Amino acid sequence: EPEVTQTPSHQVTQMGQEVILRCVPISNHLYFYWYRQILGQKVEFLVSFYNNEISEKSEIFDDQFSVERPDGSNFTLKIRSTKLEDSAMYFCASSDIGGGHSYEQYFGPGTRLTVT
Amino acid sequence: LAKTTQPISMDSYEGQEVNITCSHNNIATNDYITWYQQFPSQGPRFIIQGYKTKVTNEVASLFIPADRKSSTLSLPRVSLSDTAVYYCLVATGGGADGLTFGKGTHLIIQP
Repeated sequence: EPEVTQTPSHQVTQMGQEVILRCVPISNHLYFYWYRQILGQKVEFLVSFYNNEISEKSEIFDDQFSVERPDGSNFTLKIRSTKLEDSAMYFCASSDIGGGHSYEQYFGPGTRLTVT
Repeated sequence: LAKTTQPISMDSYEGQEVNITCSHNNIATNDYITWYQQFPSQGPRFIIQGYKTKVTNEVASLFIPADRKSSTLSLPRVSLSDTAVYYCLVATGGGADGLTFGKGTHLIIQP
C-alpha cells in the first residue's frame, strides 16, 4: 500500500537555526499539506499546496515558514528561524482530489522537532 | 466552520461494539462528516466519511440522522489495538482545504 514518508523522524535544533522537514507524498496525489501537533494538544493545520502554489494557510503559517516542491517527489517545510514554541510533531499529508468531496488525507509518520 | 463536540474519553472491552457520538449543530448544507483515528506518535488515519444516512466500510459504520446535527461512529467488536484517539471533523469546500481537528475522543479498550 502506498504511503507518505517523512524524514528525519526526529530533528533537534537550536533556537534561531533553520530547519527543513522533508516529505515524499503518495506519487499520484495532487494536494499536499503540513500539520503540526504540539505534545498533548490537537493536530493543527499549517498549509495546503496544489499546482506548485499555496492553496490555503493558517494563522500559524507566518513568514518564518515556507513550503516547496523542489522536484516531482519531495515536499518540504522550512522553518527559517526556529523558536522554542516550534517544538512539535510535524505531519505531512497528501490527497487525491479525484474523489470530488473526498476528505481522505494520507498522513505520514511525522517528524518530531525539538528546539533547544 | 461547524464546531464539533464529542466525549473526551470512553472505555470499553474487547469484543464489544463501541459507538462514539459527535454533535455538530451548525453543520452547513455542503459539509461532510469525516472521522479520523490517531495512535500515539503517529499521524491521523482516515476511517470513514459520510453526508447522510449510513455509510459502512471494512473498518466502521457511520450513522447520520436526517437533520445531520449529529453523527455516530460505530466500531464493531473492538480489540485492544483500537485504543486510540478518534476525531470527528466537519469538512467543507474542496480537496485543497486543511482539516480542522478538535480534541477528539480517547477510546480505551480493556481486555
